Amino acid sequence: AQSVAQPEDQVNVAEGNPLTVKCTYSVSGNPYLFWYVQYPNRGLQFLLKYITGDNLVKGSYGFEAEFNKSQTSFHLKKPSALVSDSALYFCAVRDDGYNKLIFGAGTRLAVHP
Amino acid sequence: EPEVTQTPSHQVTQMGQEVILRCVPISNHLYFYWYRQILGQKVEFLVSFYNNEISEKSEIFDDQFSVERPDGSNFTLKIRSTKLEDSAMYFCASRTGLAETQYFGPGTRLLVL
Repeated sequence: AQSVAQPEDQVNVAEGNPLTVKCTYSVSGNPYLFWYVQYPNRGLQFLLKYITGDNLVKGSYGFEAEFNKSQTSFHLKKPSALVSDSALYFCAVRDDGYNKLIFGAGTRLAVHP
Repeated sequence: EPEVTQTPSHQVTQMGQEVILRCVPISNHLYFYWYRQILGQKVEFLVSFYNNEISEKSEIFDDQFSVERPDGSNFTLKIRSTKLEDSAMYFCASRTGLAETQYFGPGTRLLVL
């Protein structure tokens, strides 16, 4: 069965510093991986995805993610964090069949001024 | 930019009452989903819907739940007899037939008293 792990409940980073939010996955076939962000009292906003191709995927708001097959990881990164990046970040993997998403537990990112 | 919309944003109901949560998916999308997020927990898949029928459902989606696409635009989730443990944020999502990305609505926060 497909699964996703986000090992950190919270990540704290100073504004202007690079950030990384970690995600590891377990899939039976080719991985289809996603990152979503949830701001307070808002829905899930799509950030980026890896389906195939380049291991470095660029997405919205300056975020990128690196797919690493050998380490089964898909870490979210940003070179320079903003206070406005503070939110809850979810990694997800597409399940087989009718494409439901399986989400990780989420990582709360706190960017301090 | 087209968005998934959901109504109401908040719903408070008494245990045992029926509730209907409404969603308007993006207009050219073909696959529809409901997910829920109990406070402080991960986002969980409930059901997927394609070609006017349920294509997959989770073990959470028992006989108390039903979905319907009554017209060309709305997609509803009905809970026949709500329980305290149904209190959660319910998200609707949709995607096209070709792309993998699911787009989520802002959610309906359901509180069962």
